[in-house]
Amino acid sequence: GAVVSQHPSRVICKSGTSVKIECRSLDFQATTMFWYRQFPKQSLMLMATSNEGSKATYEQGVEKDKFLINHASLTLSTLTVTSAHPEDSSFYICSVGGRTTDTQYFGPGTRLTVL
Amino acid sequence: AQTVTQSQPEMSVQEAETVTLSCTYDTSESDYYLFWYKQPPSRQMILVIRQEAYKQQNATENRFSVNFQKAAKSFSLKISDSQLGDAAMYFCAYRSGNFGNEKLTFGTGTRLTIIP
Repeated sequence: GAVVSQHPSRVICKSGTSVKIECRSLDFQATTMFWYRQFPKQSLMLMATSNEGSKATYEQGVEKDKFLINHASLTLSTLTVTSAHPEDSSFYICSVGGRTTDTQYFGPGTRLTVL
Repeated sequence: AQTVTQSQPEMSVQEAETVTLSCTYDTSESDYYLFWYKQPPSRQMILVIRQEAYKQQNATENRFSVNFQKAAKSFSLKISDSQLGDAAMYFCAYRSGNFGNEKLTFGTGTRLTIIP
């Protein structure tokens, strides 16, 4: 399967600042990337789907102006949490997929803590 | 909208024994895939097994097998000869269509504990 990396693995920031999380597909041309959020002891909740070169499609209830997603290339997508607040603290996971695969491949996740 | 239900928040099994995790789903579609993912303490999501809806034969991967009952919309995971490394959260997931560019819908998960 595809190898997916995320950077950083952990980040702590102050309330009101912005944080950028990178998701890289190391050996697969990811036409589609997904961003999930996972609270402790809960399931993965899809935040948005991004197709390379297009605007992301956000799930209902996800603020597109707060969670900015950029998918400028087949190997890189970024999630920027703008004006972060403590309630944005969570585990963020990306995954990659495409029409040449029948499944998604997941990154290792990023733990965001907002103080 | 599709829904996935895992009714067992926690399960435990003795090492070397067999355990079955339950999953039901609701859909009106005919083409879809079902998956079981494992999330160990590292939180890396790992694909355990997948099942295409059009295939009647149940998928197997070494010690892992599924019981896919399409009419009943049931998709259970059987783990044989349980090992300590099987301890993890297990998520059942549904996907429309045939390609990896479609989104996944996850169940709430089952935490599996292996008793030495």
